[in-house]
Amino acid sequence: GNSVTQMEGPVTLSEEAFLTINCTYTATRYPSLFWYVQYPGEGLQLLLKATKADDKGSNKGFEATYRKETTSFHLEKGSVQVSDSAVYFCALSGGSNYKLTFGKGTLLTVNP
Amino acid sequence: DVKVTQSSRYLVKRTGEKVFLECVQDMDHENMFWYRQDPGLGLRLIYFSYDVKMKEKGDIPEGYSVSREKKERFSLILESASTNQTSMYLCASSPPVRGSEKGAFFGQGTRLTVV
Repeated sequence: GNSVTQMEGPVTLSEEAFLTINCTYTATRYPSLFWYVQYPGEGLQLLLKATKADDKGSNKGFEATYRKETTSFHLEKGSVQVSDSAVYFCALSGGSNYKLTFGKGTLLTVNP
Repeated sequence: DVKVTQSSRYLVKRTGEKVFLECVQDMDHENMFWYRQDPGLGLRLIYFSYDVKMKEKGDIPEGYSVSREKKERFSLILESASTNQTSMYLCASSPPVRGSEKGAFFGQGTRLTVV
């Protein structure tokens, strides 16, 4: 079956620090990969996605590259802001399985 | 923009009550989902529907049922609410299989407290 493992949190950084949140996956077929973000008290919003190997998804300064050889999709941002404080979820959907499988989420807190 | 609307942001219900959580989407999506979110457990799929009147169990369907009489509306029903169903409930919708690469679109969530 499909599964997603992401870095346990919480992660606490100072403003302008570099962010990496690790995500690895197991899938029976080539999946599409996603990062979702959840701000306090809100639902999930799609942050970025990649649909095939070596694709790079990017949005709002965040990036993630689909690495088939390492089955990974790590989230990075060069300089975080206080407004990036949120929970980040890695997810996949694959082949005929349109369901999303989520990781457990990583809480990021950015301090001024 | 896709809009997924959940009928309530916050609900407080008593143990044993029958509870209805409503979700409406405006993008004519075939697929709709109900998840619950709990600290340390992430999102867990309760039920999903890939067409009107069609439904499939997710990973944790016990104690829940669903209804999809119209394409745009997907209801989650707690037959007899219990305190262990206190949680954040998230509804989502997505296009059909070929659109799975677009991911899913989520509502704002309903925080349910059962007392």
